[in-house]
Amino acid sequence: AAGVIQSPRHLIKEKRETATLKCYPIPRHDTVYWYQQGPGQDPQFLISFYEKMQSDKGSIPDRFSAQQFSDYHSELNMSSLELGDSALYFCASSPSGANVLTFGAGSRLTVL
Amino acid sequence: EDQVTQSPEALRLQEGESSSLNCSYTVSGLRGLFWYRQDPGKGPEFLFTLYSAGEEKEKERLKATLTKKESFLHITAPKPEDSATYLCAVQEELYGGSQGNLIFGKGTKLSVKP
Repeated sequence: AAGVIQSPRHLIKEKRETATLKCYPIPRHDTVYWYQQGPGQDPQFLISFYEKMQSDKGSIPDRFSAQQFSDYHSELNMSSLELGDSALYFCASSPSGANVLTFGAGSRLTVL
Repeated sequence: EDQVTQSPEALRLQEGESSSLNCSYTVSGLRGLFWYRQDPGKGPEFLFTLYSAGEEKEKERLKATLTKKESFLHITAPKPEDSATYLCAVQEELYGGSQGNLIFGKGTKLSVKP
């Protein structure tokens, strides 16, 4: 069965650079969530989208932005990267009306 | 204030030694409580959803139960391949019946030795 696809799997950036992470949800899933998980930490909710509109916002820094496109894939854009942004970034998707989230394998961002 | 608290933080078991993991939560309206398994460097893998007090669900060696304030994940006769971090998450019922995002606990890291 198709899963949530995230790219890239690994990304290394310098401080103050910009990074973009991509997420392709499971087919027919119209809701996408982004989570950040620091080393040894629990996943922290960043932002979610439903039908290409932002549906909820968590602890997402102002330096980060995200959007969901017409094909339901989503991109997380991170600017002015800081060392503390180094983390695993997970995308999850769910069909509308269902509350079980299926997570992708994550994108590991390392900021040097 | 933490809304989801898991204990213990880490648990070491011998193969076949049964035990339980705890997840306590404080949300005003619970839409659902979720258990996920996470292996190192991988995304959380869905295990169970519980919706109301008294509900129980089982899958192989795992059994999840729910009360009004906490959930337990019972592991019966664990095997080394059960070693992972087990995450508990709650989803709040928001205004108008809409659902909130998942709020995760910090997880319990389970190690099962042969």
